[in-house]
Amino acid sequence: DVKVTQSSRYLVKRTGEKVFLECVQDMDHENMFWYRQDPGLGLRLIYFSYDVKMKEKGDIPEGYSVSREKKERFSLILESASTNQTSMYLCASRVMGGGFPEAFFGQGTRLTVV
Amino acid sequence: GIQVEQSPPDLILQEGANSTLRCNFSDSVNNLQWFHQNPWGQLINLFYIPSGTKQNGRLSATTVATERYSLLYISSSQTTDSGVYFCAVPGGAGANSKLTFGKGITLSVRP
Repeated sequence: DVKVTQSSRYLVKRTGEKVFLECVQDMDHENMFWYRQDPGLGLRLIYFSYDVKMKEKGDIPEGYSVSREKKERFSLILESASTNQTSMYLCASRVMGGGFPEAFFGQGTRLTVV
Repeated sequence: GIQVEQSPPDLILQEGANSTLRCNFSDSVNNLQWFHQNPWGQLINLFYIPSGTKQNGRLSATTVATERYSLLYISSSQTTDSGVYFCAVPGGAGANSKLTFGKGITLSVRP
């Protein structure tokens, strides 16, 4: 079975802190994604990566950066956390390829910025 | 970009009832996924279905790609079916296309 693991299920951080959210997948997938989920807004794409050291901005990249130094790990970085970044963060991965291969999600991280 | 609409936004059922959840999309797609978000927030894969019909226990899904919609059927609903149901489609045609989600359908099954 594909396994996508996010480092924390719940996280509380202070305004202004630098925050790292980690995601690891064990299936050698090329593509990895970070989404945030907010009530009434659904899932919105922050960043995605299609290979090591390769990244593209999603729909809402402002205030975030990412790092992909190894194929299995995709990190989301909040450079200076703010209260409007309080949200549910979801990581996903899938193999690269035409025909839109199936994507798999981690368990999610509920981040609260106080 | 492609638009995905799900309906109804909210659904309340009595245990044992059947339901149909709908996903419409604005452009042709080469695949579609249905997910169930459990109470702890994790998205669980239900179906990966570009066209046709698939069944898994009490759940089944049908995608009619030419008419740009997909349906998720839940029969004999149980309280554990409660949660949010999402459909997602490719945001583009390329091999690295992102997933585009609908806003979800919140299902509550009452005992």
